Amino acid sequence: GAGVSQTPSNKVTEKGKYVELRCDPISGHTALYWYRQSLGQGPEFLIYFQGTGAADDSGLPNDRFFAVRPEGSVSTLKIQRTERGDSAVYLCASSLRALGQGTVRDTQYFGPGTRLTVL
Amino acid sequence: AQSVTQLDSHVSVSEGTPVLLRCNYSSSYSPSLFWYVQHPNKGLQLLLKYTSAATLVKGINGFEAEFKKSETSFHLTKPSAHMSDAAEYFCVVSDQSSGGSNYKLTFGKGTLLTVNP
Repeated sequence: GAGVSQTPSNKVTEKGKYVELRCDPISGHTALYWYRQSLGQGPEFLIYFQGTGAADDSGLPNDRFFAVRPEGSVSTLKIQRTERGDSAVYLCASSLRALGQGTVRDTQYFGPGTRLTVL
Repeated sequence: AQSVTQLDSHVSVSEGTPVLLRCNYSSSYSPSLFWYVQHPNKGLQLLLKYTSAATLVKGINGFEAEFKKSETSFHLTKPSAHMSDAAEYFCVVSDQSSGGSNYKLTFGKGTLLTVNP
């Protein structure tokens, strides 16, 4: 079946511009995650959605970053007033985990990522 | 808080020889541990995971890892390397420090595996 997809695969923008990155999770997965991978580093957690709501946004670096998931499926990561330090690969993952099932250790399936370059 | 240390940033082996990628973790709770592999221009793929069942975990493509609580280690091994194993490998931990749930993955910095013919 289809995995997690992310668009665009590459995005080049200029400092100060606004960008949107899209994630399509695996069908039926209620949990969705965003991570950021800087050059030479492992991915770092940004935000976690359970359904439509952001259950944990503690990893967002500042208020220029925002993410939504209005219908509990597709998610968009939005970055305002981009800075050169925002350049990274942004990864999306999804898992089956559903609210109320306790600490279900669901596997997170990752998309290929969006490589963002801020000039 | 949870953390992961991958002891080698780069490991180089010859095809057909054993692979050992080392990982140590820190966790205040009973952790779940994972190894993910990342091939160039491809998404992260789960190799194997430990979630408090058997301490020796077998994964895909002949990889396995052993959870050693006394050593806080979760090293990844494979008896015989194949050219297709060349990739970046990430050791990952999650625990219940995130408000009782263990969804938050903490990644190591990665180990680049090179396989020479």
